Amino acid sequence: DAKTTQPPSMDCAEGRAANLPCNHSTISGNEYVYWYRQIHSQGPQYIIHGLKNNETNEMASLIITEDRKSSTLILPHATLRDTAVYYCIVGSSGSARQLTFGSGTQLTVLP
Amino acid sequence: KAGVTQTPRYLIKTRGQQVTLSCSPISGHRSVSWYQQTPGQGLQFLFEYFSETQRNKGNFPGRFSGRQFSNSRSEMNVSTLELGDSALYLCASSLGFGGAADTQYFGPGTRLTVL
Repeated sequence: DAKTTQPPSMDCAEGRAANLPCNHSTISGNEYVYWYRQIHSQGPQYIIHGLKNNETNEMASLIITEDRKSSTLILPHATLRDTAVYYCIVGSSGSARQLTFGSGTQLTVLP
Repeated sequence: KAGVTQTPRYLIKTRGQQVTLSCSPISGHRSVSWYQQTPGQGLQFLFEYFSETQRNKGNFPGRFSGRQFSNSRSEMNVSTLELGDSALYLCASSLGFGGAADTQYFGPGTRLTVL
């Protein structure tokens, strides 16, 4: 699976949009970009995933560049409960799943 | 729909003992994966089971083993516990057939402390 690079930490003001970047320059054509988040010592929570088109759900939006080498997760109106470690993962859509987690980005939402 | 459940949530063992952790996947999910999370190594993949067969395996010693039952519930066993096995053990389930909609969902984890 391709490797991802994320900033180790970011701050965001409550109520503002949080934009979390991820680089995945070695992504291959059949690999998806997945985003999970983990609030301290809980299990990772699935947020969103995409292949090449931008995606939106009730939690967030995912913007993938045209060359697919980077993506941005957008939390439109961050709240204090969004403070967590956010993981960007690139993985195959094949049936055998093995998610390779990096260090992620610690997002702190400030009041 | 109920989420992934793991039991027990907390466990304290001593070196040399063995431990069994349990995971019940989301109803209808046939794939169960196990991960270990430690402060030093982060989240690492242990193995994946699908239809009672181990389909994928990470780079862990043979002391770590697992199995899956016909109802898709899974157990993970660690024998001859070492201090370094202290970790949060996470289970994730998915449909198991691949494709865009086949996403892994994680349970709350079992916190194992080895003394």
